[in-house]
Amino acid sequence: DGGITQSPKYLFRKEGQNVTLSCEQNLNHDAMYWYRQDPGQGLRLIYYSQIVNDFQKGDIAEGYSVSREKKESFPLTVTSAQKNPTAFYLCASSMSDRSPLHFGNGTRLTVT
Amino acid sequence: GQQLNQSPQSMFIQEGEDVSMNCTSSSIFNTWLWYKQDPGEGPVLLIALYKAGELTSNGRLTAQFGITRKDSFLNISASIPSDVGIYFCAGQLSGTYKYIFGTGTRLKVLA
Repeated sequence: DGGITQSPKYLFRKEGQNVTLSCEQNLNHDAMYWYRQDPGQGLRLIYYSQIVNDFQKGDIAEGYSVSREKKESFPLTVTSAQKNPTAFYLCASSMSDRSPLHFGNGTRLTVT
Repeated sequence: GQQLNQSPQSMFIQEGEDVSMNCTSSSIFNTWLWYKQDPGEGPVLLIALYKAGELTSNGRLTAQFGITRKDSFLNISASIPSDVGIYFCAGQLSGTYKYIFGTGTRLKVLA
């Protein structure tokens, strides 16, 4: 089945450690996105990528990094510079600039 | 960061009632999307709108793209218990790939 896979579902890390969240899609979509969701809040854009080897900062990119070496993969690294990393992270993809976003089922990151 | 104004924030309704929610912005959008999110899951697309004035239905759901391109609403008719969840609007800024999300409407349906 086509879709977006985020792994793992739950992730625990100690403060000061970098952590990488995985996102893979087999929809052959050009664009991929990372959003952050905090309890009771909407989704805020971290980074997005329109094509391979290119990506742009969203509204809250500080403390995060991404890479887009393959069309189907868009991993997100939460660095130790991110001051409040505990959140629910959602990856999405879209076919083109006016296509709807399709979401994965998220990774809940807890940093203590 | 940018977020759309979405209202109401939450609502309790009786099963069978109709529900209405809306999103407004100071920015012009070229696409509006409506999503439903269940706890611990990713949002699921309900309706996509691409033209100002467009009215689109998906079963008991109806959404409209505002004429000014700065707002959109979603109606749910004859609500049922499985409509419970959080509903989000999202608008795409013209000329970009960026989608901005609303703050969500939490819907609770009383049987």
